[in-house]
Amino acid sequence: GAVVSQHPSRVICKSGTSVKIECRSLDFQATTMFWYRQFPKQSLMLMATSNEGSKATYEQGVEKDKFLINHASLTLSTLTVTSAHPEDSSFYICSATPDRGYGYTFGSGTRLTVV
Amino acid sequence: DAKTTQPPSMDCAEGRAANLPCNHSTISGNEYVYWYRQIHSQGPQYIIHGLKNNETNEMASLIITEDRKSSTLILPHATLRDTAVYYCIVRASGGYQKVTFGTGTKLQVIP
Repeated sequence: GAVVSQHPSRVICKSGTSVKIECRSLDFQATTMFWYRQFPKQSLMLMATSNEGSKATYEQGVEKDKFLINHASLTLSTLTVTSAHPEDSSFYICSATPDRGYGYTFGSGTRLTVV
Repeated sequence: DAKTTQPPSMDCAEGRAANLPCNHSTISGNEYVYWYRQIHSQGPQYIIHGLKNNETNEMASLIITEDRKSSTLILPHATLRDTAVYYCIVRASGGYQKVTFGTGTKLQVIP
C-alpha cells in the first residue's frame, strides 16, 4: 500500500514552453503533498507544500509564478513549470503520506530536460 | 527539524554488514529518526524509523543511542542493490510535517 505515482518519468521540452508533472496517490487520500527538485550529485531540495483545496506553500527562493502547483483533488497534485529554461532542467520528485507523520512515500521522479 | 550529520561516502564489501552512522545532537524529545535511501535516478525509499528504542524490519535495523544524539542504520548483509545514497532525517510526528534532506551518505557495495 501507499503508492505514489508520478508522470511522466521523463520529458524533453523546448525553451519557453510549459510542462506539467502529475503526482497521484493511488491507494490513499493525500491532503498534503510535497514537491522536490534535485540537481545532479545534489540532495533533494524541497520546493513547495501542496495543499488540497488551498494555495501551495513555497519555500524561500522558489518562484511561485514559475512553478505552478494545483492540488484539486485528494489524490492528485500537479506541478507546472512555466516558460521553462535550460536551468530548470532537473529531477522533480513528489511525496505524500497516508498517515499523519509516518513513512512518506515518494514518486519515482520526473527527469525534465529543457533544450 | 533538527540538523543531521552523515559521512559523505562509505564502502562495504558485498555480504558484509553496512553500518551507516548519523549524528543528530540537537534532536528534540518528540522527534523521530527516519532513514530513507535513494537509488540512482529514482525517488527516495523509506527504510525504517524510530524514537528511542532500537527497531528492526525486513530491510534494516536502527540503533539509537540512549541520549538519542546519534543513530546507526545497519544493513545486515549488503548486496550490490543496496548501493545508494542513504539519508538520515529527524522530524516530529503528527501533522503533515515536511521532510527536508541533508547530503546523505553514498554507500558503495563492492563485489
